[in-house]
Amino acid sequence: KQEVTQIPAALSVPEGENLVLNCSFTDSAIYNLQWFRQDPGKGLTSLLLIQSSQREQTSGRLNASLDKSSGRSTLYIAASQPGDSATYLCAAEETSGSRLTFGEGTQLTVNP
Amino acid sequence: DAGITQSPRHKVTETGTPVTLRCHQTENHRYMYWYRQDPGHGLRLIHYSYGVKDTDKGEVSDGYSVSRSKTEDFLLTLESATSSQTSVYFCAISEGQLNQPQHFGDGTRLSIL
Repeated sequence: KQEVTQIPAALSVPEGENLVLNCSFTDSAIYNLQWFRQDPGKGLTSLLLIQSSQREQTSGRLNASLDKSSGRSTLYIAASQPGDSATYLCAAEETSGSRLTFGEGTQLTVNP
Repeated sequence: DAGITQSPRHKVTETGTPVTLRCHQTENHRYMYWYRQDPGHGLRLIHYSYGVKDTDKGEVSDGYSVSRSKTEDFLLTLESATSSQTSVYFCAISEGQLNQPQHFGDGTRLSIL
């Protein structure tokens, strides 16, 4: 059974700092790895999807990497802003169209 | 934003009553999912559908049933609600193809007293 862990559970940083969020998974036979953002009281917004054959994906100030052999993914946020404050979730997809197994998330606070 | 509407958005009900949550999509996506989100557990899959009348169980399916009679609608039913089913329920959709993420609705907050 796939298990996904995110460390740290919470992170508070000053505005402008570069930061890394970590995600680890136990079963390397994944189809893809997805990163989401969740604002309080809202649903999840897809940020980045890394296919199993890829090493990284970039979108603006966000860069996600994937190392299947070690069972790890990282989300790098450059020049953080107060608007980045949210909970960030990673999820592993087993096969196309199947379930996502989620980590519990990292709650990020960016202080002005 | 993906066209996903969950209804109701909030519901309070009593133990033992039946409850049905609805997810409606306008994207014509093949796959639909129901998750619940609880502190200490994250999001967990309840049931999912890979086509009209085609459904399968997730990891926390006990006490829940689903139906999908049309592509656009996926219903989640709690036949006899229990307090342990108090949670936030999210519907998600996907095309089920490589490189396509799941898209989520805004959730239904369900409280069972």
